[in-house]
Amino acid sequence: KQEVTQIPAALSVPEGENLVLNCSFTDSAIYNLQWFRQDPGKGLTSLLLIQSSQREQTSGRLNASLDKSSGRSTLYIAASQPGDSATYLCAVRYNQGGKLIFGQGTELSVKP
Amino acid sequence: EAGVTQFPSHSVIEKGQTVTLRCDPISGHDNLYWYRRVMGKEIKFLLHFVKESKQDESGMPNNRFLAERTGGTYSTLKVQPAELEDSGVYFCASRLLGAVNTEAFFGQGTRLTVV
Repeated sequence: KQEVTQIPAALSVPEGENLVLNCSFTDSAIYNLQWFRQDPGKGLTSLLLIQSSQREQTSGRLNASLDKSSGRSTLYIAASQPGDSATYLCAVRYNQGGKLIFGQGTELSVKP
Repeated sequence: EAGVTQFPSHSVIEKGQTVTLRCDPISGHDNLYWYRRVMGKEIKFLLHFVKESKQDESGMPNNRFLAERTGGTYSTLKVQPAELEDSGVYFCASRLLGAVNTEAFFGQGTRLTVV
């Protein structure tokens, strides 16, 4: 069964800290992996898309890595800010058809 | 350019009633997906349209749910009759067709509460 797990479920850090969110998937034959952010009551905002052939992607203070063989991805957030507070979701696609399998998310709180 | 738009943003209905959710994808996106998140669970796939055709409806929970995409533009998801366990947030997403490894764009979701 294809499952996606995110650890931790919740994380609270002081402003300025660098942090890592983890995502693991049971079937390593992925097509690509997408990280999203969800603010309370809002939709999902795409942060980064990593193709199966890539090892990492960067956007501003965000860096996502992918290790297919071990079934893991990490989202690194540098110099965290209160505005980064949100739920971060990892989702995996296994074929070109494109349905996403989601983890439960990590709820991040960055304290000023 | 407008993003994925969903209507309504919230809906509260009584058990046994009918509700219809609407999704307008990004213009030109032939892939359209419905997902939902019920309380305490992860977001789960419901079904996938390519233009007006249902490509994958393996996630539809039962025959009380009916999705349509007439003309290959906007889509509707009807729940009839609604049950308490149908409460949750229903998301729609769209993606370009034919391009490999393109990202999915999500709407803001419809929060459905069945009482």
